[in-house]
Amino acid sequence: DGGITQSPKYLFRKEGQNVTLSCEQNLNHDAMYWYRQDPGQGLRLIYYSQIVNDFQKGDIAEGYSVSREKKESFPLTVTSAQKNPTAFYLCASSHWDNEQFFGPGTRLTVL
Amino acid sequence: QKEVEQNSGPLSVPEGAIASLNCTYSDRGSQSFFWYRQYSGKSPELIMSIYSNGDKEDGRFTAQLNKASQYVSLLIRDSQPSDSATYLCAVNSYFGNEKLTFGTGTRLTIIP
Repeated sequence: DGGITQSPKYLFRKEGQNVTLSCEQNLNHDAMYWYRQDPGQGLRLIYYSQIVNDFQKGDIAEGYSVSREKKESFPLTVTSAQKNPTAFYLCASSHWDNEQFFGPGTRLTVL
Repeated sequence: QKEVEQNSGPLSVPEGAIASLNCTYSDRGSQSFFWYRQYSGKSPELIMSIYSNGDKEDGRFTAQLNKASQYVSLLIRDSQPSDSATYLCAVNSYFGNEKLTFGTGTRLTIIP
């Protein structure tokens, strides 16, 4: 089955911890994206990558980091510098036509 | 600042009627337009994409684009309770920029 997987589905973080969210796709898409969604709000872009070993900051990159060592994988680290990390995190990927397809999401809660 | 505006709703429509969802955008250079459906607690699902002026139909869904008015809409015919969801409009400026700008979504409720 082709698609985008994210893990874990739920994640709990203690104050001061870094956590890493996984995103993998087998659609052979070049571009991958990370979004954050808060209740009642739209999607806000954190980081995106159009090719391996290259990525750009989105609108709310502070407190987050990414890597793109493989075409299939685009992990997101939420660092302790992110002061309000509780949110629904969505990974997406796309071909050249810009149709973005989303994974199932990871719900992060700070304890 | 590129903006995409949607009426947040909620929009209530009787079962079997036509639901009309609207979206306006500020960047006149926008080239690609998308509608996503998001059920509560789930991730967005792409349901329509449109790139040129006019109508595009796919089953019960019709997307309408008017670039001169900077307006894109989604019509859902024969609305079903399973259409109850939040609908997100997304817009892209094609020239080398693959980022999408999303609206905040319209919550649609189909009343049986």
